[in-house]
Amino acid sequence: AQTVTQSQPEMSVQEAETVTLSCTYDTSESDYYLFWYKQPPSRQMILVIRQEAYKQQNATENRFSVNFQKAAKSFSLKISDSQLGDAAMYFCAYRSRGNYGQNFVFGPGTRLSVLP
Amino acid sequence: DGGITQSPKYLFRKEGQNVTLSCEQNLNHDAMYWYRQDPGQGLRLIYYSQIVNDFQKGDIAEGYSVSREKKESFPLTVTSAQKNPTAFYLCATRQGARTDTQYFGPGTRLTVL
Repeated sequence: AQTVTQSQPEMSVQEAETVTLSCTYDTSESDYYLFWYKQPPSRQMILVIRQEAYKQQNATENRFSVNFQKAAKSFSLKISDSQLGDAAMYFCAYRSRGNYGQNFVFGPGTRLSVLP
Repeated sequence: DGGITQSPKYLFRKEGQNVTLSCEQNLNHDAMYWYRQDPGQGLRLIYYSQIVNDFQKGDIAEGYSVSREKKESFPLTVTSAQKNPTAFYLCATRQGARTDTQYFGPGTRLTVL
């Protein structure tokens, strides 16, 4: 079974600085998706960024980018020019491409604080 | 206004009572999911449904039941058999078998008194 690990329960960053959140996963599959979701204090889960495993190019969305290392099974999230609104729980998630339904697997989350 | 709605936002239940959490969507998405979130943990899958009148157990289905009579609705019943039901419950949808991204509702906080 696939597992997702986030080794940093909490992180903090100064406003306008850059922070990187770590995520590693374990799978025997070669084709899958990876996601970062943000959960602010409102608890609404918001998709931040997604990566398809067969694409070598790292995904970017404005200030958010990933470092996808398939061989190392690593999927870190970099937040540039951090803003107060970035403070939230961040969840890394995995989904098998070949499976219809239940294989969204979430990590335990990293709580990010942004200091003014 | 399109989206996923969950009601109520907060729910209190006495021990031994069943309670039903609502999840409605007008996105015309095929698949719907229920997750449970506990403090310090990620999301755990309770049930999911790919099409109307069909649903499958997830990792922690014991003590829960669901129905999918309409595409738009996927209610979750927390039964008295669920030993520790106090948690935050999230409903999610996904457009179809060939799409990968889940979209989430705002959640329901269930507290057992």
